[in-house]
Amino acid sequence: GAGVSQSPSNKVTEKGKDVELRCDPISGHTALYWYRQSLGQGLEFLIYFQGNSAPDKSGLPSDRFSAERTGGSVSTLTIQRTQQEDSAVYLCASSLSTGRDEQYFGPGTRLTVT
Amino acid sequence: GENVEQHPSTLSVQEGDSAVIKCTYSDSASNYFPWYKQELGKRPQLIIDIRSNVGEKKDQRIAVTLNKTAKHFSLHITETQPEDSAVYFCAASRSGGYNKLIFGAGTRLAVHP
Repeated sequence: GAGVSQSPSNKVTEKGKDVELRCDPISGHTALYWYRQSLGQGLEFLIYFQGNSAPDKSGLPSDRFSAERTGGSVSTLTIQRTQQEDSAVYLCASSLSTGRDEQYFGPGTRLTVT
Repeated sequence: GENVEQHPSTLSVQEGDSAVIKCTYSDSASNYFPWYKQELGKRPQLIIDIRSNVGEKKDQRIAVTLNKTAKHFSLHITETQPEDSAVYFCAASRSGGYNKLIFGAGTRLAVHP
């Protein structure tokens, strides 16, 4: 079946502009996670959704970062007033439910802030 | 805070040799430990995982061991092949409820023919 998809695959933006990154989880998966992977680094947790609620936003680096999920499916991660340090690959993962551990990742969005 | 340390950061082996990657975690409440393989420019792929009620798990050439007392877990790849070349990430989380994954920094494995 279809896996997790993300769009765009690449995004180049100028410093100070806002960007929106989209994640489509696997159909039927209720839990959705956003992670960030800086060049040559491990994955850093950003935010988690169960349904449309975000019980844990503790990983968001600043108030310029926000995310929402509608209809228990698609999620959007928004970065306002982008900075060069925001450049990274943003990965989305989904799992069947919070009672199921396995997380499946999308291909990521590579964000470059110039 | 929660932390996962992973060693080595790079590993180079000859085809057919074994490779071992080790991780240590800090959160004693962690009880789910997945391993992901990430090829260049690709998404992380779950290759094997282990839960705290199990000490060892095998899947063909891949095995994972867990020592909860020492808070260590390891990935073992036997009879390595060039297609095993990738970056491998360990992670730890608390199972049930929600399970934010805390990742290690990754190990770049190179298997030379």
